[in-house]
Amino acid sequence: AQKVTQAQTEISVVEKEDVTLDCVYETRDTTYYLFWYKQPPSGELVFLIRRNSFDEQNEISGRYSWNFQKSTSSFNFTITASQVVDSAVYFCALSASWLSSNTGKLIFGQGTTLQVKP
Amino acid sequence: SAVISQKPSRDICQRGTSLTIQCQVDSQVTMMFWYRQQPGQSLTLIATANQGSEATYESGFVIDKFPISRPNLTFSTLTVSNMSPEDSSIYLCSVEDSPGGSGGAVDEQFFGPGTRLTVL
Repeated sequence: AQKVTQAQTEISVVEKEDVTLDCVYETRDTTYYLFWYKQPPSGELVFLIRRNSFDEQNEISGRYSWNFQKSTSSFNFTITASQVVDSAVYFCALSASWLSSNTGKLIFGQGTTLQVKP
Repeated sequence: SAVISQKPSRDICQRGTSLTIQCQVDSQVTMMFWYRQQPGQSLTLIATANQGSEATYESGFVIDKFPISRPNLTFSTLTVSNMSPEDSSIYLCSVEDSPGGSGGAVDEQFFGPGTRLTVL
């Protein structure tokens, strides 16, 4: 079975603080993909990153960075110097490759609500 | 990235009626999906919309309640039938384009803006 756990339901920080959102996943597939999405109050889902299971290199994009560790089945997301505009619900998701009957389907975590206060 | 539009963006419906949601993509895509997001909850996959054949439904979702059409590679509809207040949710269309020869890679998945449905 595939599962994604985001244990942090809500996080509140003050602007300019760094914040890390945790994501732990479960899958029996050897090839899989991990995603992060942002859902601001307006409701649309914004794609942030996709990472495949063979690439454990950390990724940095501006103030965003991602730490993928297969040994702990985690794919954590860090926002550096947070800003008020970062306030949103963040979802971590998992998808298997075409080798699995679950290809393309995203299994979402429950989401973490991030509030950045001025 | 693919640009996805959905109609309507929101609607308020009466119990027992049906609503059809449209999803239009600006390019041909291989895979199209329909998700539901109940208030304050995460996203749950309803079904995979298959071009030219019946949709593939996830556990807990049935064709009689959520009939889906996909007449071509850029368009799909989801109907929410015989609605009840429990159907009040955001319904999102999602697309993935995995070109032939990609070696089984899963491409980025993009979501439409969603349809916010309220059933009274």
